[in-house]
Amino acid sequence: GQQLNQSPQSMFIQEGEDVSMNCTSSSIFNTWLWYKQDPGEGPVLLIALYKAGELTSNGRLTAQFGITRKDSFLNISASIPSDVGIYFCAGLSASGYALNFGKGTSLLVTP
Amino acid sequence: NAGVTQTPKFRVLKTGQSMTLLCAQDMNHEYMYWYRQDPGMGLRLIHYSVGEGTTAKGEVPDGYNVSRLKKQNFLLGLESAAPSQTSVYFCASSPWTSQGETQYFGPGTRLLVL
Repeated sequence: GQQLNQSPQSMFIQEGEDVSMNCTSSSIFNTWLWYKQDPGEGPVLLIALYKAGELTSNGRLTAQFGITRKDSFLNISASIPSDVGIYFCAGLSASGYALNFGKGTSLLVTP
Repeated sequence: NAGVTQTPKFRVLKTGQSMTLLCAQDMNHEYMYWYRQDPGMGLRLIHYSVGEGTTAKGEVPDGYNVSRLKKQNFLLGLESAAPSQTSVYFCASSPWTSQGETQYFGPGTRLLVL
């Protein structure tokens, strides 16, 4: 599958801070997705992006589909302890049914 | 709706033993997927299915077989388990939409092969 580079690998922040993470690919994607995985659980879909340049929000989360279609960004504003988990980006290419996942960003929020 | 369910939740196998993991979804989704998740590797696709009676290989299919006899079920089989197959296995399903696909995941099956 196509390689997705997700950064940073981990983040350790204080409650109330904003968080930014991104994902880049060497290939173009038609759909970008952001998932969150809590310990011992399966990934849960946070935001789906379908058009280049699209900016979509879900509560305190905002994600953008890069204009080049090779990157995506996720921002979390005013972080809270329950934001702790691993965040994955995933891309769906036009040529396939399956998603390609990044390796994840592990987020730790201290009170 | 229960969404996506997986059976069993945990399993310990000895090398060479076989087992089947069951995934069930009640959302009438067309597509189903099996992934494995290893530390630092993210999720990697093993096999997937675009409809009842169809299956296709993903990124890491070796050592696994799958079947989709009913639309709501997707089975993952290990014929002869190896320690390298120790992992957390996730099943997912997705509907077809004109804009793309979003996948919904089960809670995972944790497999240890000794």
